[in-house]
Amino acid sequence: DAGVIQSPRHEVTEMGQEVTLRCKPISGHNSLFWYRQTMMRGLELLIYFNNNVPIDDSGMPEDRFSAKMPNASFSTLKIQPSEPRDSAVYFCASSLWAPTFYNEQFFGPGTRLTVL
Amino acid sequence: AQTVTQSQPEMSVQEAETVTLSCTYDTSESDYYLFWYKQPPSRQMILVIRQEAYKQQNATENRFSVNFQKAAKSFSLKISDSQLGDAAMYFCAYRKGDMRFGAGTRLTVKP
Repeated sequence: DAGVIQSPRHEVTEMGQEVTLRCKPISGHNSLFWYRQTMMRGLELLIYFNNNVPIDDSGMPEDRFSAKMPNASFSTLKIQPSEPRDSAVYFCASSLWAPTFYNEQFFGPGTRLTVL
Repeated sequence: AQTVTQSQPEMSVQEAETVTLSCTYDTSESDYYLFWYKQPPSRQMILVIRQEAYKQQNATENRFSVNFQKAAKSFSLKISDSQLGDAAMYFCAYRKGDMRFGAGTRLTVKP
């Protein structure tokens, strides 16, 4: 298995531009998570999906952030417009989920975003 | 909301020695999962060990073991025979539905 795939691995953009981060979960996994990691705030959960349905987006910092999961094999995290304070490493993770089963998450390599 | 606390921002251990990383969490749930993840300089998050709350036996994975104290809500990680490759950030995590991570402990291994 290729593991969780994220693209791009690095993104440098200018303030005000739209940024789209992509994630392909491990085949067969039905739970997907987006995290943001910074030195100041550590690892923050932004949003997660079970069976393609957003369950909790309370970690999404503001309306500039949006996430979609149109099917079981693809998810996007979009920032529009981007700001310098959005600079961080964004991780996608996937796992198997059932109502009483909380398996470990498998992480992608992360996308390092720099907003100038 | 569940919170996970790692009180040791940094730890250091001599190669071949043993080190214990601390983690406490706050929850009102009785059934949940706990994890330790390792993040080396490559940034990749790697699962080290997992513990189901309903299991009384402490999990063990080779040189890694945990001391799970459910009543105390404590979940420490012991690394035996430390190796240079163990140097990394270590994150404790709690899962019931979503996943909550501690702030991490940076482990340095001295040769």
